[in-house]
Amino acid sequence: DQQVKQNSPSLSVQEGRISILNCDYTNSMFDYFLWYKKYPAEGPTFLISISSIKDKNEDGRFTVFLNKSAKHLSLHIVPSQPGDSAVYFCAASVGGSSNTGKLIFGQGTTLQVKP
Amino acid sequence: GAVVSQHPSWVICKSGTSVKIECRSLDFQATTMFWYRQFPKQSLMLMATSNEGSKATYEQGVEKDKFLINHASLTLSTLTVTSAHPEDSSFYICSAQTPGQGVEKLFFGSGTQLSVL
Repeated sequence: DQQVKQNSPSLSVQEGRISILNCDYTNSMFDYFLWYKKYPAEGPTFLISISSIKDKNEDGRFTVFLNKSAKHLSLHIVPSQPGDSAVYFCAASVGGSSNTGKLIFGQGTTLQVKP
Repeated sequence: GAVVSQHPSWVICKSGTSVKIECRSLDFQATTMFWYRQFPKQSLMLMATSNEGSKATYEQGVEKDKFLINHASLTLSTLTVTSAHPEDSSFYICSAQTPGQGVEKLFFGSGTQLSVL
């Protein structure tokens, strides 16, 4: 049972445009969501997070939106840069930001930003 | 940020042999480490939680006798795939959490691609 789903395996956008990566979840107990970025031959690195009590969190070019009723979150990157090309994972947890690290991951979306 | 080192990056072994993967936290002490596995086009799946000085906690469906986890020190956890078979071929990745910090302070190794012939 895939509790966290990223239905788009890949996404290609032009440099300077907006990248929108989507993630859906099924478990209503999830109360904390994170996005990770992964380059080839490296481990995922934390990008941005959001608590279920919020619907938006912004950090520079990155904004995460949460729609609890739809059990959907999205990551917006504006403007997109070639260096953003990577695999993006969304992850969810129960227990808030103090969670002990048991994360449920999506399958990942490969973003390619073309110069 | 904190660094987690994982070795080897890739390994090819014959069916029936055992393979050990190491995960080290280089600049912090990690009382808890996590082991994940990813099959092609699937998500990272948590296999087990490794606690320093105690037995690992395995997720449902993960065979503890097949995937031996040892967390003997605050900076090292090892995963041994015993009697490996082709179906164990996968990408294995570890993570370590900075003590007392939130889940954002979860740092990942670079992963190990295991191919069992």
